[in-house]
Amino acid sequence: QVQLVESGGDVVQPGGSLRLSCAASGFSFSSYGMHWVRQAPGKGLEWVTFIWSDGSDKYYADSVKGRFTISRDNSKNTVYLQMNSLRAEDTAVYYCAKELGRGYYFDYWGQGTLVTVSS
Amino acid sequence: EIVLTQSPATLSLSPGERATLSCRASQTVSSYLAWYQQKPGQAPRLLIYDASNRATGIPARFSGSGSGTDFILTISSLEPEDFAVYYCQQRSNWPLTFGGGTKVEIK
Repeated sequence: QVQLVESGGDVVQPGGSLRLSCAASGFSFSSYGMHWVRQAPGKGLEWVTFIWSDGSDKYYADSVKGRFTISRDNSKNTVYLQMNSLRAEDTAVYYCAKELGRGYYFDYWGQGTLVTVSS
Repeated sequence: EIVLTQSPATLSLSPGERATLSCRASQTVSSYLAWYQQKPGQAPRLLIYDASNRATGIPARFSGSGSGTDFILTISSLEPEDFAVYYCQQRSNWPLTFGGGTKVEIK
C-alpha cells in the first residue's frame, strides 16, 4: 500500500532554515509528481510546491517562492523541502502528497510534520 | 490566483440527512475541481476529482457536480463518519488553490 512518511519538523527561529523529507513506498515513485501542502494551526489547506516525476520542473506558491526549494531523489524514493528565511507565518503542519496521475490533485497524503517558527 | 469560496462555513445536520456543499470559483476552472474530507488530527482524503469522478474506495453516497465556476458536493445520507471538514481545490491554473472549507457538524 502507498505510504508517505514525513520527517524533519522542528522548532526554528525566524530567519532560520529547515529541511523536510518525505519517504515514499508502495508505488512507482519515479512515475509520479509530488506536492507539499501545509496547514497552519486551526486553518485551512495551502498548496506550497510541486515537482514533476523526473524533477525537471517545479512550481511554487508566491508565499514561499525564493525561500523554499523542492527536490527529489528517485533512487531513494524521497522528496525534500528545503525551507530558508523562515517566518512566523510558515508555522504549520507540512504534508507531502502524491499526485493522482490524472491532473494535479492529491490522492495520497502523509501524516504531516509540524514546523514551528518562533523565537 | 483563482479564489475558491465555499459555503456555508458550517452545516449542522443529523445523520441520515442530505448535505449540499457549495464551491464557487473566481474564474472558470472548467471541470478541474476536487473535493477532500479532513477529520481532526488526520490528513485530508481525496473524495472527488474532475468535478464528478469518485476517487478509489469512496462510497457512492458522495457525488460531485458542476463546471465552470459553480460546483456542488452532495452527501446523499450522512453517516456518523461523514462529520468532518470538506475542502474544494482547483487545478486549472497555477498556483493550485483550496477553498476555505465547510464544516459539517452534528445537529
